[in-house]
Amino acid sequence: QVRLQQWGTGLLKPSETLSLTCAVYGGSFSDFFWSWIRQSPGKGLEYIGRINRFGSTNYNPSLKGRVTISVDRSKEQFSLKLTSVSAADRAVYYCARVHYAYYYMDVWDKGTTVAVSS
Amino acid sequence: QSALTQPASVSGSPGQSITISCTGTNSDIGTYNVVSWYQHHPGEAPKLLIYEVNERPSGVSKRFSGSKSGNTASLTISGLQAEDEAEYYCCSYAGRDTFVVFGGGTKVTVL
Repeated sequence: QVRLQQWGTGLLKPSETLSLTCAVYGGSFSDFFWSWIRQSPGKGLEYIGRINRFGSTNYNPSLKGRVTISVDRSKEQFSLKLTSVSAADRAVYYCARVHYAYYYMDVWDKGTTVAVSS
Repeated sequence: QSALTQPASVSGSPGQSITISCTGTNSDIGTYNVVSWYQHHPGEAPKLLIYEVNERPSGVSKRFSGSKSGNTASLTISGLQAEDEAEYYCCSYAGRDTFVVFGGGTKVTVL
């Protein structure tokens, strides 16, 4: 049974960099995309970006320029960095596995709450 | 503002059927049969209910079904149960550059 577990900074000041890592346990790392998704308070899910095992990425155009997703195949982990955070980046951040051909997210972690406050 | 439009809320009595719509454009739902639906209970991980418009993953109740017509996808929950009270999100592939877009979510209330 595939399981995802993430960790990272939960409290940031404005202009700092958000950094989260998600580890994949118990399944094939190679045959999927790996994504980050967030939910801001009172809002819906928002796609942040995704990466495959080769490091090929795609980012939400609204976040482009601030977001970087990287992968460590040897550790079967992928990471999110979001620079210059503001209150608008306050959200629950999820990592999820994405089917390679049909782009659905079938495994999710429970999410991490990220707060931004001066 | 989300790329896909969902009603903010839908309600029904136990045993009834409800349908949640998800309206997109010719750039997403209208072009690709790559629509998925997720159930999200607060504090939990979202759960995949439907993929490829109308396919159910193993373990998902047959009470959940999906369909699509033109630029609009729909999720139907039949035999509504108290445990179905949650937020529901649609998602569509939107091409290589955008990848995927989500709807704004629909809060389902069981009366």
